[in-house]
Amino acid sequence: DTGVSQDPRHKITKRGQNVTFRCDPISEHNRLYWYRQTLGQGPEFLTYFQNEAQLEKSRLLSDRFSAERPKGSFSTLEIQRTEQGDSAMYLCASSFGSNTEAFFGQGTRLTVV
Amino acid sequence: SQQGEEDPQALSIQEGENATMNCSYKTSINNLQWYRQNSGRGLVHLILIRSNEREKHSGRLRVTLDTSKKSSSLLITASRAADTASYFCVTPSGGYNKLIFGAGTRLAVHP
Repeated sequence: DTGVSQDPRHKITKRGQNVTFRCDPISEHNRLYWYRQTLGQGPEFLTYFQNEAQLEKSRLLSDRFSAERPKGSFSTLEIQRTEQGDSAMYLCASSFGSNTEAFFGQGTRLTVV
Repeated sequence: SQQGEEDPQALSIQEGENATMNCSYKTSINNLQWYRQNSGRGLVHLILIRSNEREKHSGRLRVTLDTSKKSSSLLITASRAADTASYFCVTPSGGYNKLIFGAGTRLAVHP
């Protein structure tokens, strides 16, 4: 197990297109987080899962964003009808439990043109 | 919603000097974590301190936690150019303890 894996690493898409990102957490980690980060800012919480259950979704997230974690393993984050403001680094992290360290993937950099 | 706030926003020091970063948070917590982010290695966990601990060490890192003042500090001793990075204070928030990041302290260590 080499850590949290995210795919793709880079994505360029035209405005209005849908994109989907995948995150493979460390096996046996039951928590999985999604964050968004723009230049010069800290990671902004988007949503998280405990096993397959989505515990919370940020109120800042529009209905164009959806995330799933079927079977409590990998997770996908989909953005529909992308906008230029969606351009950012999307980070995934996993942890075992709620009061332990989280391990982050290298992120998916999205550019909407 | 942002729970922890780091201070200063930016810090520039010479190699060999110590660097101190502070974090203040708003609500009661059961633990606080510090992470580092640089362009090469992404986000990496540094240290976790629990609410019943006052100080914790890891190599050249020293973290303190004062729950009465709702604040924490990260001290990096004998800094190196490789310590150049952004440092984030992370606190659990909400009923399910989601991890919330502050805006970070950007540390530059000059050779």
